[in-house]
Amino acid sequence: EAGVTQFPSHSVIEKGQTVTLRCDPISGHDNLYWYRRVMGKEIKFLLHFVKESKQDESGMPNNRFLAERTGGTYSTLKVQPAELEDSGVYFCASSQAWNTEAFFGQGTRLTVV
Amino acid sequence: QQQVKQSPQSLIVQKGGISIINCAYENTAFDYFPWYQQFPGKGPALLIAIRPDVSEKKEGRFTISFNKSAKQFSLHIMDSQPGDSATYFCAAADRGSTLGRLYFGRGTQLTVWP
Repeated sequence: EAGVTQFPSHSVIEKGQTVTLRCDPISGHDNLYWYRRVMGKEIKFLLHFVKESKQDESGMPNNRFLAERTGGTYSTLKVQPAELEDSGVYFCASSQAWNTEAFFGQGTRLTVV
Repeated sequence: QQQVKQSPQSLIVQKGGISIINCAYENTAFDYFPWYQQFPGKGPALLIAIRPDVSEKKEGRFTISFNKSAKQFSLHIMDSQPGDSATYFCAAADRGSTLGRLYFGRGTQLTVWP
């Protein structure tokens, strides 16, 4: 069974550009989470989808970040326009139910220059 | 404001030794405390987890010790091996919240020398 898959693995963009990160959760997992780790700091929660609905987006830093989960399958996280402080590793995780383990993807390393 | 504080930031242990990583929290609503292990280029993977109704949980060489009154928990890796070299994150989740909504510590980079 495939795990959580994230694309791309790495992305280097210039300040002001737009980047879209993609996450494919484990098949059948209704819950999907986005996290971010800025270098040297903790992994921080960004938001939580249940199917296609945003359950909790309290961790989204600002309105330059837009997450979607069309049809309740894969999810995208768009950053527009990107700023230097957006650099970090973005993780996606998924879980089958609210009270089951969350499995993480390998992450997307975003570098804004 | 960091909800879970983790120490040390890095740890070097000789093969066969004991690795100990500590975490502390303030939020008494936390009732699920997992440890994640991350290898380079991979995502964090659940290693072991504990609920506050027990003071210790052991799985193989990995043990979580939990002190509810002190609001502290720690990971002990017995007979540490070079293959244990990785970054370890402690985390916590709220009572009644989804287990995927986690508050993480900053991570400990463990190096086990052969």
